[in-house]
This record gives sequence, structure tokens and C-alpha cells, in this order.
Amino acid sequence: EDKVVQSPLSLVVHEGDTVTLNCSYEVTNFRSLLWYKQEKKAPTFLFMLTSSGIEKKSGRLSSILDKKELFSILNITATQTGDSAIYLCAVDPSNYQLIWGAGTKLIIKP
Amino acid sequence: DADVTQTPRNRITKTGKRIMLECSQTKGHDRMYWYRQDPGLGLRLIYYSFDVKDINKGEISDGYSVSRQAQAKFSLSLESAIPNQTALYFCATSDAVVAGVETQYFGPGTRLLVL
Repeated sequence: EDKVVQSPLSLVVHEGDTVTLNCSYEVTNFRSLLWYKQEKKAPTFLFMLTSSGIEKKSGRLSSILDKKELFSILNITATQTGDSAIYLCAVDPSNYQLIWGAGTKLIIKP
Repeated sequence: DADVTQTPRNRITKTGKRIMLECSQTKGHDRMYWYRQDPGLGLRLIYYSFDVKDINKGEISDGYSVSRQAQAKFSLSLESAIPNQTALYFCATSDAVVAGVETQYFGPGTRLLVL
């Protein structure tokens, strides 16, 4: 059965800390892995990863994929209170039905 | 203006009632999706449509039906609502596979409470 597991489920850190969020997956056919940020309602797209070892970067956020070990990490450096959100990971198993993880709830304390 | 809109944004209904959630998009995408989100379970796919004549069941379609009235409109119906359908419902769109990958864009969500 295809599945996506995110860890930790929740995380509380102080402003300025660096955090690493994990996403592991098991799928029959892999096409891409996506990261989304969900603040109040709708998830918003962050990154799409298709190849191992190539880091995607946007400001203080970065992500990398390991297709051999079947996981991805999302790093956030110098965290700010505005980074508080649920971070969702999804895998496209090549059948157009994304498989979603349960999310990591990140809380940044001032 | 938002590219993907959902109505209503919040809805309270009673068990057994029929309700419809609507989704409209101005992105010109062919593909549209309906998800529900429950705490600790992530997003689960209910139905998806690749064009007006194409409707497919997702992971949890029982108790739901959909209608793709036009490229821009995709409605989700609960024929006889039950309390365990209380959830946050999202509509999403995508513009097919580009360079071998697909990105979905989400509406703001509809919070549904079934009493």
C-alpha cells in the first residue's frame, strides 16, 4: 500500500532556530514529491522534487530528496513566527492521485 | 481575485440533509480535485476530473457525488450528510503534467459541520 509518513507530527521551537521536517514514502511508482505550507486554510505550494540530491531553495527554506532511501527533508533556517504552519508532504505515484502525509505542525515561539 | 474559489466557506447542516459544495477556477486548468482534511489524517482524495466528460473516484468516494458542469466548475454533493462527514473540504486544480510533474493549486476550503 502506498503511503507517506511525516515526522515529527508537531514541533515547537524558538524564533531563530533551525528546523528539519521529514517525509518518508513508499510508493509503487514515483514521479515527484511536493511540499506545501498550510497556514490558515488552503495549502500553498513550496517545492516540487523529482531528482535525488538536487537541493531546491527559496529564501530560508530548502528541501532535498533521496530516492534511494525514500525520503525528503524540508529545512527552515532562522525561523520566524510567520513560519508557524502545518507543512504537508505529498507524493505523486504516477497515477494522478497524490498521496498526502498527515503533516507536521510547526509552532515558532517569539 | 482568487484563482480557485469555494462556496460556501462554512456550512452547518443536519444529518440526512443534502448539501452541495461548489468550486470555481479561473486558471483555465483541465484537472480538478476534491479533498477532505481531517486532523491527523492529512488530505484524502474524494473525486477527481480530468475534463468535463471525465469523472473518477478517489480514495473515499462513498457518500459523495460530483458534477463537472464546465471546465471551470466542479461541485461536490453529500446526498445524505452524516456526522463523520464533518471536515474541511478543499478543491484543487492543476494544468496537467508539465515536464513530467504536476502541481496542484488549492481553494480556500469549506468547513462543514454535520450535526
